[in-house]
Amino acid sequence: GENVEQHPSTLSVQEGDSAVIKCTYSDSASNYFPWYKQELGKGPQLIIDIRSNVGEKKDQRIAVTLNKTAKHFSLHITETQPEDSAVYFCAASSSGAGSYQLTFGKGTKLSVIP
Amino acid sequence: GAVVSQHPSRVICKSGTSVKIECRSLDFQATTMFWYRQFPKKSLMLMATSNEGSKATYEQGVEKDKFLINHASLTLSTLTVTSAHPEDSSFYICSARSRGSGYTFGSGTRLTVV
Repeated sequence: GENVEQHPSTLSVQEGDSAVIKCTYSDSASNYFPWYKQELGKGPQLIIDIRSNVGEKKDQRIAVTLNKTAKHFSLHITETQPEDSAVYFCAASSSGAGSYQLTFGKGTKLSVIP
Repeated sequence: GAVVSQHPSRVICKSGTSVKIECRSLDFQATTMFWYRQFPKKSLMLMATSNEGSKATYEQGVEKDKFLINHASLTLSTLTVTSAHPEDSSFYICSARSRGSGYTFGSGTRLTVV
């Protein structure tokens, strides 16, 4: 099955700096890669996603890059703000066998220091 | 955007009783619903996958007789924790998938068994 590795597990940045979180996946059939933000006591919220036919996607301060050859994808947050502090999860999904299951990384706790 | 409503958000029950958690897709039809369990400071662990009108597929190690899943319609799935014990205390999260909406998560249910 799919295995998703996520690094780092914790990340502290000064307000205004950039944050980068990296993930690798094992299943070459995976074709959908979402990123979720989870605040304490709440469900994950999708912040950005990318499909395997695209190498990069940007939405305001958030961008995701995908390298299919190397099987890794990264989340980039620029001009970080204190409200960006949360746990971020990457995930990978494949439509193989029709399961569409998401496999999650272990999460990154991002702290933005004012 | 797609919205998934999960209720209750918090529940406390006595050992030996059963608890039902509901997950509804409010503005789209979910072809597949997923149930996750999340331990403190950990990632989401997939418990089961359910398609409307068919039996749920449980992940290895998840007791199907303890965690009953019903997916009666394209907008409603329920998870019933039967004969709950303190070790079942956890954060349970549902997710609904549709072709047009991707994966949308509920806000989670904090179950405490006393």
